[in-house]
Amino acid sequence: QSVLTQPPSVSGAPGQRVTISCTGSSSNIGAGYDVHWYQQLPGTAPKLLIYGNSNRPSGVPDRFSGSKSGTSASLAITGLQAEDEADYYCQSYDSSLSWVFGGGTKLTVL
Amino acid sequence: QVQLVESGGGLVKPGGSLRLSCAASGFTFSDYYMSWIRQAPGKGLEWVSYISSSGSTIYYADSVKGRFTISRDNAKNSLYLQMNSLRAEDTAVYYCARPTVTTHGYYFDYWGQGTLVTVSS
Repeated sequence: QSVLTQPPSVSGAPGQRVTISCTGSSSNIGAGYDVHWYQQLPGTAPKLLIYGNSNRPSGVPDRFSGSKSGTSASLAITGLQAEDEADYYCQSYDSSLSWVFGGGTKLTVL
Repeated sequence: QVQLVESGGGLVKPGGSLRLSCAASGFTFSDYYMSWIRQAPGKGLEWVSYISSSGSTIYYADSVKGRFTISRDNAKNSLYLQMNSLRAEDTAVYYCARPTVTTHGYYFDYWGQGTLVTVSS
């Protein structure tokens, strides 16, 4: 059971917009800690997608955006492309001196 | 460019031990915190351990506390994870990752390719 809760799967057609939610608690996201997002393509290591709730590292397309409110955060992907098919993980820090992840969301591009 | 290369994974029997290594390059290793993160087959990511840049501050996930030991050698630009009393549930790909501090927390900006640890009789 992951500390942060994500939907197991989402799907969308090419060109559409999808969102992935990430729900935490008062000891992590709700405590004011930032949320970060990672993309994991099949058979590869996770790659940083969004940091500090809404910032994109260099090279990440602006089709990817993040937001945070209260004890939750969201990742939005617009203009879906086939290459976006991957697993997505949210991550935050917890007051128990640990780093916490969501269980991951599998994005399927129809 | 930043590179993190793990090694040392393999097949080990329950109760056995294994030592993972992570060779870092492309940045000043001694200036950065480091972590180990694992991913069981078909499962999500689980943070395992953290070590500060000097090695003076260390944290562990409850699931490995008392069995795993993280360490680093800044002269060799290397990170280690000594894993003892291994259990079947420790089977996973182990990633070496570099945490970077934000105003409110940390994120992992670079990851290695991972090394597979299989605990089975």
